[in-house]
Amino acid sequence: GAGVSQSPSNKVTEKGKDVELRCDPISGHTALYWYRQSLGQGLEFLIYFQGNSAPDKSGLPSDRFSAERTGGSVSTLTIQRTQQEDSAVYLCASSFGLAGGPETQYFGPGTRLLVL
Amino acid sequence: DAKTTQPPSMDCAEGRAANLPCNHSTISGNEYVYWYRQIHSQGPQYIIHGLKNNETNEMASLIITEDRKSSTLILPHATLRDTAVYYCIVRGNSGGSNYKLTFGKGTLLTVNP
Repeated sequence: GAGVSQSPSNKVTEKGKDVELRCDPISGHTALYWYRQSLGQGLEFLIYFQGNSAPDKSGLPSDRFSAERTGGSVSTLTIQRTQQEDSAVYLCASSFGLAGGPETQYFGPGTRLLVL
Repeated sequence: DAKTTQPPSMDCAEGRAANLPCNHSTISGNEYVYWYRQIHSQGPQYIIHGLKNNETNEMASLIITEDRKSSTLILPHATLRDTAVYYCIVRGNSGGSNYKLTFGKGTLLTVNP
């Protein structure tokens, strides 16, 4: 079946511009996660959605970052007034969202953001 | 989550089995062993996970020692496309903040022709 998809795959923007990144999770997955990965670095957790609610936004680096999820499916991550340090690969993952068991997260291909 | 230790790099000949070790000596009873890999410029890919029994799927086999302090990921017939960084992580059940995946440095597996 279809996996997690993300768009765009690459985005080059100028410092100060806003960008919007999109994630389509696997159908039926109620949990959705955003991470980012800077060059040569590990995963940095950003936000977790269960349905349309975001019980954990603790990883968002600043108030320039926001995310929403509508209809329990598609999610968008918005970065306002981008800065060069925002350059990274933004990864989305989804899982079934079932409580009490191990939750395997399946990742999308990522959006490579470059802020000039 | 318990800490894991993996060798930084390994080489394997194409067509041979690749055996990637992972130490997780502080794993607790309800923590699972997960393996992901990340091919250059791609998102992480789930491979397999297990609790205490050995597991096999279409991608790999996971052998967990009886004391659960270490495990081995086996790619039975490595191909050039298996060249990637392989991450071993241990995670508890959903709840708390167990959903926050963190990868260590992993093992860079290079499959040579």
